[in-house]
Amino acid sequence: EPEVTQTPSHQVTQMGQEVILRCVPISNHLYFYWYRQILGQKVEFLVSFYNNEISEKSEIFDDQFSVERPDGSNFTLKIRSTKLEDSAMYFCASSAEANTEAFFGQGTRLTVV
Amino acid sequence: LAKTTQPISMDSYEGQEVNITCSHNNIATNDYITWYQQFPSQGPRFIIQGYKTKVTNEVASLFIPADRKSSTLSLPRVSLSDTAVYYCLVGASYSSASKIIFGSGTRLSIRP
Repeated sequence: EPEVTQTPSHQVTQMGQEVILRCVPISNHLYFYWYRQILGQKVEFLVSFYNNEISEKSEIFDDQFSVERPDGSNFTLKIRSTKLEDSAMYFCASSAEANTEAFFGQGTRLTVV
Repeated sequence: LAKTTQPISMDSYEGQEVNITCSHNNIATNDYITWYQQFPSQGPRFIIQGYKTKVTNEVASLFIPADRKSSTLSLPRVSLSDTAVYYCLVGASYSSASKIIFGSGTRLSIRP
């Protein structure tokens, strides 16, 4: 069964450093998303991406965040200067069309120290 | 966006049928009802989606009354592995995950 893969599974970084979280969506999917989940809290929407541009973003997704689809397979989330409160699980998701289910990856646990 | 209300937690036993009800009084005409499941340290997983009446798949059934102001996710004969958080989401089908906001969900605990 096709799946969304994320790397790394766990990343530890120092406050102020840049991190890039990587995702390989399902190959024929066109819509891509990033979510985050702080430990013990809700899954929060960050951004959606379609046709090589951001289609929607939440207020969490400020100037410190950016997304990119550098080639035909990868979808990345960059946090420019990490803060302690960025520590969370980050989930990538993809869907074939706008009206179909989203498939989530296993997540990257980001720990900012 | 239609707000959803569901129980914070539920407990049940292996082999039982579990019904989780979600209220969505302000559901719009073009909104669909979608349920996701999340195991600890994993991403959410789509379970089922419906618009009205009843939908059934290999995992669950979804019952939606005529007024669509609530819905019930039914898990037949649960096992320990069904212990997870279950999210009821309401949103326009065309918008998929981007406009669907996860609430706090229902934490289901299955005991032997």
